[in-house]
Amino acid sequence: ILNVEQSPQSLHVQEGDSTNFTCSFPSSNFYALHWYRWETAKSPEALFVMTLNGDEKKKGRISATLNTKEGYSYLYIKGSQPEDSATYLCAFPPSGTYKYIFGTGTRLKVLA
Amino acid sequence: GAGVSQSPSNKVTEKGKDVELRCDPISGHTALYWYRQSLGQGLEFLIYFQGNSAPDKSGLPSDRFSAERTGGSVSTLTIQRTQQEDSAVYLCASSKKGTSGANEQFFGPGTRLTVL
Repeated sequence: ILNVEQSPQSLHVQEGDSTNFTCSFPSSNFYALHWYRWETAKSPEALFVMTLNGDEKKKGRISATLNTKEGYSYLYIKGSQPEDSATYLCAFPPSGTYKYIFGTGTRLKVLA
Repeated sequence: GAGVSQSPSNKVTEKGKDVELRCDPISGHTALYWYRQSLGQGLEFLIYFQGNSAPDKSGLPSDRFSAERTGGSVSTLTIQRTQQEDSAVYLCASSKKGTSGANEQFFGPGTRLTVL
């Protein structure tokens, strides 16, 4: 059974702190790894689609790295702001299939 | 531009009743996905459409669940004889193509289904 795990499950940080969390996925038959941000009462929003080992992507204060050989991706947020409060999901489509497997997410709360 | 829309946004129903959930994908997106999130769980894949075809229905949790897509656009997820365990947020997403796992998905706001 293919599994995608995220840690930690939840996280509280102070405004201005930098933080990071992890997504672990099966390293065999890798095709892509997706990160989404899901704010309360809104739709999940795509952050990154990562396909290459060693890839690093950045969007503003948020960046992500990818290690396909060991099966993990890190998401980093620099200088967290209250508006970063959301659940961050990663998703893994095994071998480029359409059956995306989502992790349970990391719930981030940034305290002002 | 218009994003993915879903209706209704909330649905409360009694156990045993049938419900229909609707998804309008982004125009031109050929791939459409249905997911659900039950309380405390991650997003669970239900079904995928490429055009009007669903190549794999094995993600549907039981034969009470069915889905169709017409005209390569609107999709309807139907749950017959609802049970309390069907209570969840049902999310729809679309992407330009589905055969590549590298296309980002655009999600709708979801339908919160509560079965009493």
